[in-house]
Amino acid sequence: ETGVTQTPRHLVMGMTNKKSLKCEQHLGHNAMYWYKQSAKKPLELMFVYSLEERVENNSVPSRFSPECPNSSHLFLHLHTLQPEDSALYLCASSQDQGGYNEQFFGPGTRLTVL
Amino acid sequence: DAKTTQPTSMDCAEGRAANLPCNHSTISGNEYVYWYRQIHSQGPQYIIHGLKNNETNEMASLIITEDRKSSTLILPHATLRDTAVYYCIVYHAGGTSYGKLTFGQGTILTVHP
Repeated sequence: ETGVTQTPRHLVMGMTNKKSLKCEQHLGHNAMYWYKQSAKKPLELMFVYSLEERVENNSVPSRFSPECPNSSHLFLHLHTLQPEDSALYLCASSQDQGGYNEQFFGPGTRLTVL
Repeated sequence: DAKTTQPTSMDCAEGRAANLPCNHSTISGNEYVYWYRQIHSQGPQYIIHGLKNNETNEMASLIITEDRKSSTLILPHATLRDTAVYYCIVYHAGGTSYGKLTFGQGTILTVHP
């Protein structure tokens, strides 16, 4: 238990669906992150939020839309995804976005796009 | 951030020390060496980090060479639960990196009974 939870743990969706991934951290951290891990590829950073402000968008397609309503919650809204978007989506948090930056990861959401 | 090179895979007998090497020959003076691991189907887990001195915590030890061009993560008494992918990451604290940890392919460590 890392103090970072993600729901749902598994999600299957069609290409025309709209769904959202949720992440919550109980650590009092100020920075939150979304990563994507495709099969047999390294983790790729998608978005970084610091104090609810997006500070990094790593060239992610607009069909992925992040939202950070407060420092404890992070969402990833999904719409019109492609099969190649099937992956493990990981959320992480850290005390701040710089500094020593030990990141705590959630268990991930396994997404399958049909 | 500096690039790291790690062996693709390693094996270790249970109860023995696991020594995982990492080369980071282009590391700059203000870049840290971080180690994370990822057990199958879980999120990565922070292990340890260091700048130039050797570091030890309850999980592992980190040995950084004097020229800082390489490091070794040591798990002193490996258990079956240490089977995982181990990532060596060079990280520039502060600046405009915005906490961007760049994960490579890592080393698959398999601990055998």
